[in-house]
Amino acid sequence: AQSVTQPDIHITVSEGASLELRCNYSYGATPYLFWYVQSPGQGLQLLLKYFSGDTLVQGIKGFEAEFKRSQSSFNLRKPSVHWSDAAEYFCAVGPFGNEKLTFGTGTRLTIIP
Amino acid sequence: DTAVSQTPKYLVTQMGNDKSIKCEQNLGHDTMYWYKQDSKKFLKIMFSYNNKELIINETVPNRFSPKSPDKAHLNLHINSLELGDSAVYFCASSQKMTAEAEAFFGQGTRLTVV
Repeated sequence: AQSVTQPDIHITVSEGASLELRCNYSYGATPYLFWYVQSPGQGLQLLLKYFSGDTLVQGIKGFEAEFKRSQSSFNLRKPSVHWSDAAEYFCAVGPFGNEKLTFGTGTRLTIIP
Repeated sequence: DTAVSQTPKYLVTQMGNDKSIKCEQNLGHDTMYWYKQDSKKFLKIMFSYNNKELIINETVPNRFSPKSPDKAHLNLHINSLELGDSAVYFCASSQKMTAEAEAFFGQGTRLTVV
């Protein structure tokens, strides 16, 4: 069965430091992969997506992600985080059957000064 | 101008009550969804609604029923509320029910059943 795993429940980084959030998926074919961000009290906003082609995708707010088929991973990165990046980040895969998106359990990002 | 809007933002109610959450999208999208986010932040799709075709996640209790008066609205009705229904409910829409079509989410409705 298809699934998405985000191994890190909570990550704390210093402002200005680099960031990598992990995402692993299980799917029988090439998946469609997404990263969403949820700021406190807000809905989800799409950061970036991968369908095919270049395995390094650029998104909004300075984020990028790299699709690695051999590792079944789609990790999110940012070279220098800002305090406003503190939020919950969700990796998602889809569509599977009648489901538009299957989400991971999220990684909460805390930024310290 | 909010693309996907939900009302109310917060809802506190007693067990056994019936309640509704409204969702409207002004994006002209063909497909709308309801997701449930539990206390552990896990997001799970409940319903997909596309051109009057309703696709139900089989794990959703039949106390939950979506109602779509028109293409821009997909309301969620919940009967006989239970404590376990407490969660944040997100409405979303997309142009089509394909991966290429970005899903836009509302701000969520935090439902608390006491």
